Amino acid sequence: RKEVEQDPGPFNVPEGATVAFNCTYSNSASQSFFWYRQDCRKEPKLLMSVYSSGNEDGRFTAQLNRASQYISLLIRDSKLSDSATYLCVVNGVGSQGNLIFGKGTKLSVKP
Amino acid sequence: GAVVSQHPSWVICKSGTSVKIECRSLDFQATTMFWYRQFPKQSLMLMATSNEGSKATYEQGVEKDKFLINHASLTLSTLTVTSAHPEDSSFYICSASQGPDGYTFGSGTRLTVV
Repeated sequence: RKEVEQDPGPFNVPEGATVAFNCTYSNSASQSFFWYRQDCRKEPKLLMSVYSSGNEDGRFTAQLNRASQYISLLIRDSKLSDSATYLCVVNGVGSQGNLIFGKGTKLSVKP
Repeated sequence: GAVVSQHPSWVICKSGTSVKIECRSLDFQATTMFWYRQFPKQSLMLMATSNEGSKATYEQGVEKDKFLINHASLTLSTLTVTSAHPEDSSFYICSASQGPDGYTFGSGTRLTVV
């Protein structure tokens, strides 16, 4: 089982749609969880951290279920500018703090 | 905010030559720097972890003699790809850790070996 697994995608949605990404992680001892956004040929940029209580930042809502080792990202009212690859990221347990990246899910928002 | 400057942003080199990639933390001290690479349509994979003043820790399958990492100061870490071959063509990116939840990425280096 891969350490971080995501929906394969790609997701092609119209503007204004709501889209949800799912992610599972294998190490139950992981403590930190993130969603990153990566544009083509660019470095990943932190979108938001994910907390057990769930957190929201504008149109973006992240949820964490530790029991199921499941992370989700919901994007409401999607914009053209949301088109990117979304990476589910977990910190590496027992290491010096490196991040473990999922393969990413590509989102394409169409007019 | 914290910035990590990575150079060069892209490089094309001949097979058999060496390429050095630099990452500098501009406004903070990076005691730990992570080096990743990303092949097309793949996830970022950790290559090695470098700590200032000590030897880097390499992930399984990464040749330490081929990918030389130097972290001689708190603001500079370098990755040298020695005797590069076409299969080393990839996107290389560094990341500095500022704590459990603070990671700053360089802008990445796209290496093409011809």
